[in-house]
Amino acid sequence: GDSVTQTEGLVTLTEGLPVMLNCTYQTIYSNAFLFWYVHYLNESPWLLLRSSTDNKRTEHQGFHATLHKSSSSFHLQKSSAQLSDSALYYCALSGYGGSGNKLIFGTGTLLSVKP
Amino acid sequence: GGIITQTPKFLIGQEGQKLTLKCQQNFNHDTMYWYRQDSGKGLRLIYYSITENDLQKGDLSEGYDASREKKSSFSLTVTSAQKNEMAVFLCASSIPTTNTGQLYFGEGSKLTVL
Repeated sequence: GDSVTQTEGLVTLTEGLPVMLNCTYQTIYSNAFLFWYVHYLNESPWLLLRSSTDNKRTEHQGFHATLHKSSSSFHLQKSSAQLSDSALYYCALSGYGGSGNKLIFGTGTLLSVKP
Repeated sequence: GGIITQTPKFLIGQEGQKLTLKCQQNFNHDTMYWYRQDSGKGLRLIYYSITENDLQKGDLSEGYDASREKKSSFSLTVTSAQKNEMAVFLCASSIPTTNTGQLYFGEGSKLTVL
């Protein structure tokens, strides 16, 4: 079945360094849609980025990601980490279940940015 | 804008107890979801509903029941709470297609079983 893999459970960075959170996926469907959600402590998770067409970069709030179908990846990047970026980040795949639509989430990466 | 309201925010139960979580949305969305959030395991889908009175099982449906009697509300019942269980349950809603990926989440209900 469809799945999403986030290999890093915790990423700790110093402020100002670049961010890269890994996401790979498996799906039988040629038209995969990938997403990044961010979950700040004591708030609701919300959609940060959604994928565009193959090899096209999408950006929002300083973060960017590029869907690469050849490697089944959608890594999240930012050029310079800020303290306020500390949060839990989920990669998600739009899965076409046999009856209805649903998002399949990865296990999440906790990003901790330190001064 | 709309809002997703989950009640209660905190729920403490005893082993074997039946516990119910409620979710209300005023987005007028057709589809609603219940996810369970555990550290290191991500968000796992328990049940979802694509319209009023519809129920679809997710990957983690065993041990849970759900009910969608109105378009605006979606309840989740833990049929028999497990000792020392701790988890956060997140309700969400969306328009029928998830190609946009836009799920709107509530703030969560934290369950602790003594």
